[in-house]
Amino acid sequence: KQEVTQIPAALSVPEGENLVLNCSFTDSAIYNLQWFRQDPGKGLTSLLLIQSSQREQTSGRLNASLDKSSGRSTLYIAASQPGDSATYLCAVSRSNDYKLSFGAGTTVTVRA
Amino acid sequence: DAGVTQSPTHLIKTRGQQVTLRCSPKSGHDTVSWYQQALGQGPQFIFQYYEEEERQRGNFPDRFSGHQFPNYSSELNVNALLLGDSALYLCASSSWRSNTYNSPLHFGNGTRLTVT
Repeated sequence: KQEVTQIPAALSVPEGENLVLNCSFTDSAIYNLQWFRQDPGKGLTSLLLIQSSQREQTSGRLNASLDKSSGRSTLYIAASQPGDSATYLCAVSRSNDYKLSFGAGTTVTVRA
Repeated sequence: DAGVTQSPTHLIKTRGQQVTLRCSPKSGHDTVSWYQQALGQGPQFIFQYYEEEERQRGNFPDRFSGHQFPNYSSELNVNALLLGDSALYLCASSSWRSNTYNSPLHFGNGTRLTVT
């Protein structure tokens, strides 16, 4: 069974600081890994999708890396802004498996 | 271009009752998945529908059932509600035809179900 862990559970930083969010998974036989953002009481917004053959993906201030062998992914958010305050979740999928396995998320607060 | 829409947004039910939640996928999408998210936790996979068939099911009891219609919209039904069924129910759609397992999921804003 795939276990996905995100540490820390919560993070508070001053505006402008870079954010580093961690995700680990127990089964390295993943097909892809996705990072999502969730605002309070809302659905999930896909931020980045990294295929298992890739090492990283970038979109604007966001960069996600993937190390399958160690079962880890890191989401970097550069120059954080108060609008980045949200819960960030990572999720992994496996071949021939249609479901995503999610971590519990890291709740980020960016202080103005 | 409308994204994934879910209705209702909030619902309060009594233990033992039955509930139906509805989802319209993003335009162009043909696959619908349902997830349950308890407070402070990540979403848990309930099941996925494609071509009006349940393609895969997560670890949920038979009280949870679903349906997909020819227009790709979907319903989630929960019978004999328990207090523990209180959660945010999320619908996600994707396009199986365009890109198999690497199709990013698009989520709706969910239905907040409270069972009293």
